[in-house]
Formats: sequence, structure tokens, C-alpha cells
Amino acid sequence: GAVVSQHPSRVICKSGTSVKIECRSLDFQATTMFWYRQFPKQSLMLMATSNEGSKATYEQGVEKDKFLINHASLTLSTLTVTSAHPEDSSFYICSARRGTGSNQPQHFGDGTRLSIL
Amino acid sequence: QKEVEQNSGPLSVPEGAIASLNCTYSDRGSQSFFWYRQYSGKSPELIMFIYSNGDKEDGRFTAQLNKASQYVSLLIRDSQPSDSATYLCAVFPDRGSTLGRLYFGRGTQLTVWP
Repeated sequence: GAVVSQHPSRVICKSGTSVKIECRSLDFQATTMFWYRQFPKQSLMLMATSNEGSKATYEQGVEKDKFLINHASLTLSTLTVTSAHPEDSSFYICSARRGTGSNQPQHFGDGTRLSIL
Repeated sequence: QKEVEQNSGPLSVPEGAIASLNCTYSDRGSQSFFWYRQYSGKSPELIMFIYSNGDKEDGRFTAQLNKASQYVSLLIRDSQPSDSATYLCAVFPDRGSTLGRLYFGRGTQLTVWP
């Protein structure tokens, strides 16, 4: 159980393009989903916390107008990178928690490797 | 600021040895602790979690927690080359957190050589 599906797994596109990444919890309802970014050989960086039906909470330094997050249902959150530029190239990973208890881990999707040319 | 510290390594052990990975955390009220494994180019996968003081065993993995010392560790027995990865320690903070986020360390890179 606790499967999180992320799509697409890889995107290569031109500078200025907007890219949408989907994150789905397949076998549980996820009140909260998280979006991370990871540059090569660096640690995970939390970008934002997404709660179903409300606005996402962004970490300091993350532009909310550039990284649009929508958590439309208890099983789906999307991250849209608007007008992407080469510096946005990175590994984007979503995660979801099954519940709100302290012993509930985050389950990660397989990640999306974004390359902006 | 809720900090989670890990030795970045690399930690190198021979096949069959015990690998010991350590993690300290700053928030004394932290409730639960998670270990993830991340292979190069892949996303993290959950190995195990612990929330009570003492040891918790799952196969070749043992998590150890000492809340008084704010220290959690992961032991990997009979290490295999396939265990070579970066191991991430994650902490769920005190009851004041309403967002449910985990705080991650930077990870320890483990290499098991045959």
C-alpha cells in the first residue's frame, strides 16, 4: 500500500514553456502533499506543502507565482512550473502522507526530471 | 529552526559488515523519526520509522532512538553492495506542527564494497 504516482517522469522542453507535473496517491487519501526539488548531488529541498482545498504553503524563497500548486482532491496535487528557464532544470519529487498522525511517513513519487533547454 | 544533522560521508564498509548511520536533531519535542534510502537518480523510499526509545528491528535494519540525547541511528547488518545509497534521516517535529511536514537531514552516502 501507500503508492504515490508521479507523472511525467521526464520532461525536456524549451525555455519559456510551462510544465505541469501530477502527483497522485493511488491507494489512500492524502490530506497533505509535499513538493520537493533536488539538484544533482544536493539534498532535498521542500518547496511547498499542499493541502486539499486550500492554498499551498510555500517555503521561504520559493516564488508562488512561478510554481503554481493545486490540490484539487484528496488524491491529486499538481505543480505547474510557469515560463520555465534553464535554472529551473531539476529533479522534482512529490510526497504524500496517509493521515495526520505523527507516525505517518511521507511516501514519495518516483520524481520528475525537468530539463529546460 | 528544526535542524537534522547527518554526517554526509561517504561511509565505506566491506560487504558483510555492519554499517552504522547516525542522525541528531535539535527539536527536543520531536515525536517520530524516519529513515529513507535514496539511490542515485531516484526518489527516496521509506526503510523504517521509530517513535519510542530503544531499538526497532526490521530484517537487516535496526533503528535506535535515544530521545534524551536527541539521537537516532540506523544499523544495517550484513551489508550488501545493493545497500550503497544515500540514507536520509527525517524527523516529525513536536505537536505544534500542523502541516505534517518532515524535516530531513542532508543524508549520508554509504558505499558497500565487495
